[in-house]
Amino acid sequence: QAVVTQEPSLTVSPRGTVTLTCGSSTGAVTSGHRPYWFQQKPGLAPRALIYDTSNKHSWTPARFSGSLLGGKAALTLSGAQPEDEADYYCLLFYSGIWVFGGGTKLTVL
Amino acid sequence: EVQLVESGGGLVQPGGSLKISCAASGFIFSDYWMTWVRQAPGKGLEWVANIKRDGSEKNYVDSVKGRFTISRDNAKNSLYLQMNSLRAEDTAIYYCTRGLVVWGQGTLVTVSS
Repeated sequence: QAVVTQEPSLTVSPRGTVTLTCGSSTGAVTSGHRPYWFQQKPGLAPRALIYDTSNKHSWTPARFSGSLLGGKAALTLSGAQPEDEADYYCLLFYSGIWVFGGGTKLTVL
Repeated sequence: EVQLVESGGGLVQPGGSLKISCAASGFIFSDYWMTWVRQAPGKGLEWVANIKRDGSEKNYVDSVKGRFTISRDNAKNSLYLQMNSLRAEDTAIYYCTRGLVVWGQGTLVTVSS
């Protein structure tokens, strides 16, 4: 099965901007992979942020946005807040099955 | 209120079996695909299996094919995961999700002698 890759860790300054990416071992990520993004804080279940590349849920803060960038799915955080420090996971669809990336630990510092 | 509550986790010996459940409430259960996702201690998320609204289609990650079976009972608003031939690497919190959007709190399965 495919391997989905993410940056293991990233750091962003408060009020800064950072982009997390999500690549596929099978080639370019497209809208057909239906990229999802999740946020997970310690001890809690994951929370869905983005679905189908760029769609937000009603609870998704406006500072988060999803896109396709350079053959990868991307999650951009503009104006980072201390509460955004968390693990972020992308999820891609491959003909019936889904594969998570390894996750990115985002530090706001 | 939309809610998913997992149950049935516990300690099981390698090679053993366990069936975990997910009770759904607050929505029309039969309208949604349902999914199991797991997370080993200190590790990332792993998609395990999903099942179509009427149970007619099921998909599994390679590592559990032939050992795990996902099922649902729409009359009881419940999702299940039957796990056989369990291995140490199956140790994880198992989450039930509705459409990858609504998540339960998870149930811990520990495979150890």
